[in-house]
Amino acid sequence: AQKITQTQPGMFVQEKEAVTLDCTYDTSDPSYGLFWYKQPSSGEMIFLIYQGSYDQQNATEGRYSLNFQKARKSANLVISASQLGDSAMYFCAMREGMGGFKTIFGAGTRLFVKA
Amino acid sequence: NAGVTQTPKFRVLKTGQSMTLLCAQDMNHEYMYWYRQDPGMGLRLIHYSVGEGTTAKGEVPDGYNVSRLKKQNFLLGLESAAPSQTSVYFCASSFRGGSTEAFFGQGTRLTVV
Repeated sequence: AQKITQTQPGMFVQEKEAVTLDCTYDTSDPSYGLFWYKQPSSGEMIFLIYQGSYDQQNATEGRYSLNFQKARKSANLVISASQLGDSAMYFCAMREGMGGFKTIFGAGTRLFVKA
Repeated sequence: NAGVTQTPKFRVLKTGQSMTLLCAQDMNHEYMYWYRQDPGMGLRLIHYSVGEGTTAKGEVPDGYNVSRLKKQNFLLGLESAAPSQTSVYFCASSFRGGSTEAFFGQGTRLTVV
């Protein structure tokens, strides 16, 4: 069965520094996708970045990059040059199969950016 | 751009009451989902739909029913609310499965007393 684990309930980072949020996953399907979402205090869910299991390169979107280590089944989110507005809850999620539609989420990591 | 709209935003129910949460999307997405979010547990899938007229159970379907009579709408019903259903409910939609991201509504905070 598919599973997502985020082991860091809370993280602190100094403004302008980089931070890595951990995510490990478990699946028996060779085809899957990994997502990261941000949930600010206002409550909405914001899509950040996607990595497919067959993608050769790590995904990047602006200040966000995904450190994908397939053999270790990890998909860590790296936020460079942290900003105060990055303070939020971050969720790692996985969807199995090329045409899969069921997405499961980890428990989340709350990031606090200090000025 | 409305995106995904949930109605209502907040609701307080008494145990045993029923209610329907409405989700509407204007992006012509095929797939729609209902999740619940509880502290320390992330989002859990309640029910989903892969097209008009179709629905399927997710991880935690007990106590909920859904309907997708129109492509743009996905309704979540609670027939007899219980305190364990106190949660924040999110509706989401995606164009298809695979690599496409889901777009989420603003959430509905439901309290059952």
